[in-house]
Amino acid sequence: DIQMTQSPSSLSASVGDRVTITCRASQSIRSYLNWYQQKPGKAPKLLIYAASSLQSGVPSRFSGSGSGTDFTLTISSLQPEDFATYYCQQSYSTPTFGPGTKVDIK
Amino acid sequence: EVQLVESGGGLVQPGGSLRLSCAASGFTFSNYWMSWVRQAPGKGLEWVANIKQDGSEKYYVDSVKGRFTISRDNAKNSLYLQMNSLRAEDTAVYYCARDVAGYSSGWYRTFDYWGQGTLVTVSS
Repeated sequence: DIQMTQSPSSLSASVGDRVTITCRASQSIRSYLNWYQQKPGKAPKLLIYAASSLQSGVPSRFSGSGSGTDFTLTISSLQPEDFATYYCQQSYSTPTFGPGTKVDIK
Repeated sequence: EVQLVESGGGLVQPGGSLRLSCAASGFTFSNYWMSWVRQAPGKGLEWVANIKQDGSEKYYVDSVKGRFTISRDNAKNSLYLQMNSLRAEDTAVYYCARDVAGYSSGWYRTFDYWGQGTLVTVSS
């Protein structure tokens, strides 16, 4: 199975900050990388698919980049509703998720 | 509006069985792969199983092979997960998710809609 890692595991940030989360795959997954946002007690929500495509209805402050093994999720200006846990997931083979990055208020 | 509504969770003893259901609406259910994804309390996400549009292909994570069975009834727009020989480590919220593939800037496959989840607790 392809292993996914994320860094950092958690971060504290302020409203308006630029936030970057990194995801790494144990082997090349081309662009088969998705990003999800999850708030406590809620289902995950798709933000980015195919590494850099913004899901319909997701604010443009979210962006994704990367290919191969290294990927990033960037939030250009953090908003109050963005405090959540973010997961990357590869779909190149049997789906696996990263361990998550919790973004909380500084 | 796409809706996925899970049901069937609850408390079950180790070694017991449970059948989860997911009712789909707002899209042509028979056109999509479907998946089950679970999340143990306070932990991350783990894909469990998926099933092809016509039910002819099914795949499972190694930890549930031989114990769980995914199925679907396209006439009822419903997805199921039969869980047997349950273990404490199967305790989790179980989500059904629509499993979609296509081409954008490149080929992709993703879970674009999720249900609200149903909690399965395996404990004596």
